[in-house]
Amino acid sequence: DTGVSQNPRHKITKRGQNVTFRCDPISEHNRLYWYRQTLGQGPEFLTYFQNEAQLEKSRLLSDRFSAERPKGSFSTLEIQRTEQGDSAMYLCASSLRGGTANTGELFFGEGSRLTVL
Amino acid sequence: AQSVTQPDIHITVSEGASLELRCNYSYGATPYLFWYVQSPGQGLQLLLKYFSGDTLVQGIKGFEAEFKRSQSSFNLRKPSVHWSDAAEYFCAVGLPYGNEKLTFGTGTRLTIIP
Repeated sequence: DTGVSQNPRHKITKRGQNVTFRCDPISEHNRLYWYRQTLGQGPEFLTYFQNEAQLEKSRLLSDRFSAERPKGSFSTLEIQRTEQGDSAMYLCASSLRGGTANTGELFFGEGSRLTVL
Repeated sequence: AQSVTQPDIHITVSEGASLELRCNYSYGATPYLFWYVQSPGQGLQLLLKYFSGDTLVQGIKGFEAEFKRSQSSFNLRKPSVHWSDAAEYFCAVGLPYGNEKLTFGTGTRLTIIP
């Protein structure tokens, strides 16, 4: 079990550029989540997928943010026309959801830190 | 909407001393409750969780937490801290029988002094 993997671990970009982060969840997990964490704050939910379906995206911060999970395995989070306020740690998590029970445990990756200059 | 308050931004404890980190939540019913730990350069790791039943739950690394419905609290405790416990601790709430989307508190940074 390799855990949740995120790449790149750190991205430095200039304002106005597009960036993409990748998340590889634990292989048998059917749910995948994206969170954002800014300095001194707890993680903030952005969006999540069950298999390839994006079940909630209302918390994505603006229309510059988009996420995909095309084959129900890895996911990408893209930020277009980056702004300095986008600087943060972007966390991915996965879980195994079965039946009607909320198993409750999210397994987090180490995060991708974005710095926008 | 649910919310989580961690009133202590930073706590310093001597190695070997006891620890209690506070967490209060706001939700119309009993939510699912979690404590996560985040060490520098590491991902968030689940320490323990409460869904229902016994209000005192045991977790990994010698941690425990007690759910008190009357106080809307879920405080984390450890009887004797180790230097390796220095980290950021987050309390989180989730909706019962819903998805696993969690709402996190702002965290408490724990420093251990020799």
